[in-house]
Amino acid sequence: AQSVTQLGSHVSVSEGALVLLRCNYSSSVPPYLFWYVQYPNQGLQLLLKYTSAATLVKGINGFEAEFKKSETSFHLTKPSAHMSDAAEYFCAVNPFPYNQGGKLIFGQGTELSVKP
Amino acid sequence: DTGVSQDPRHKITKRGQNVTFRCDPISEHNRLYWYRQTLGQGPEFLTYFQNEAQLEKSRLLSDRFSAERPKGSFSTLEIQRTEQGDSAMYLCASSLITTGWLSGELFFGEGSRLTVL
Repeated sequence: AQSVTQLGSHVSVSEGALVLLRCNYSSSVPPYLFWYVQYPNQGLQLLLKYTSAATLVKGINGFEAEFKKSETSFHLTKPSAHMSDAAEYFCAVNPFPYNQGGKLIFGQGTELSVKP
Repeated sequence: DTGVSQDPRHKITKRGQNVTFRCDPISEHNRLYWYRQTLGQGPEFLTYFQNEAQLEKSRLLSDRFSAERPKGSFSTLEIQRTEQGDSAMYLCASSLITTGWLSGELFFGEGSRLTVL
């Protein structure tokens, strides 16, 4: 079964530091890949998505992610963390074949803390 | 507010009782999804509808669970004879088939948190 693994259930960075959240997928055919963010007491919001176009994907709030087929990875980065980035981040895949009707497979999530 | 809305936001019930959650998707969206999220885990797919048709159900959806979308608009998720293991956040999401289902851009509600005592 196809899956997605997020390394690190909790990541803590200082304000202004680089944010790196790791995501690896298991699939022989590159899936569609997504990052969602969940702020406290809110629903999940799409940050960015990879659908086989450019391998470097830019999203909202200064986040970006790079698809690396050789590493089966889709890590999320942001050059400079802001206090408002503190949230839970989920990596998700829409596995091949892509007509799964939105049945996304989510990772376990990474909670990002930002220290002043 | 034109986002996905869910009701109730919180429900506390005793084991063995029935509960029902409602989801109102974004009005023009024709696909509606239910996910379950337990503490420390990512959302797990339960079922989805295209208009009023329920097209897929996960093995997680036992016989005690039933979902409907009678007129292709709002949806309900009912859990009968609740068990403590049903305690979770139940998330609803919607998408527009022409753009959302391939790109995976699901729009989520804030969830309904169920606590079974």
